Amino acid sequence: DGGITQSPKYLFRKEGQNVTLSCEQNLNHDAMYWYRQDPGQGLRLIYYSQIVNDFQKGDIAEGYSVSREKKESFPLTVTSAQKNPTAFYLCASSPWTSGLYEQYFGPGTRLTVT
Amino acid sequence: GESVGLHLPTLSVQEGDNSIINCAYSNSASDYFIWYKQESGKGPQFIIDIRSNMDKRQGQRVTVLLNKTVKHLSLQIAATQPGDSAVYFCAENTADTGNQFYFGTGTSLTVIP
Repeated sequence: DGGITQSPKYLFRKEGQNVTLSCEQNLNHDAMYWYRQDPGQGLRLIYYSQIVNDFQKGDIAEGYSVSREKKESFPLTVTSAQKNPTAFYLCASSPWTSGLYEQYFGPGTRLTVT
Repeated sequence: GESVGLHLPTLSVQEGDNSIINCAYSNSASDYFIWYKQESGKGPQFIIDIRSNMDKRQGQRVTVLLNKTVKHLSLQIAATQPGDSAVYFCAENTADTGNQFYFGTGTSLTVIP
């Protein structure tokens, strides 16, 4: 059963704590992406990675960090420096980094920081 | 910068009627467009896509129309069903952005039984 998995579905943390969101894909896609979704707003790009051991900042990278040690995995760490971390986080992948291809999304992780 | 927007934030239709969801974009160089469906608490699902060299593309019960002259995109859903109730996003992409998409805010479609 191919696809993108994100875990956990719901995550609760205290303010000041770092938290890591998991994203795994078995689609053999080269590119992976992290988005943040807030009510009434479109998806905003946090980070993306085109190949293993390489990644680039998106529009709202401040307070976040990522790694891409394996092709199938792209974890996102929400650090204590992120001022408003409560949001719905979506991971996506696409088969190629150039050209025009759809992005496949995972089910999302809802993070609540209190 | 990129701008992708939707004309109506909410849309209610009777079951069996056709639905039309609209989207405007500002970058005339956009090459590729996708419509996604997102149900509450879930990730977006691909519905249909269209490239800039096409005006129309049809899928199962869905049609996407692209008007490059006025930079407008629409999604038509035929014989709308209760399972179609969701938020619909348009997304646009330009080839020179490394497959980065820009997403609209979404239209919430409610199907009335």
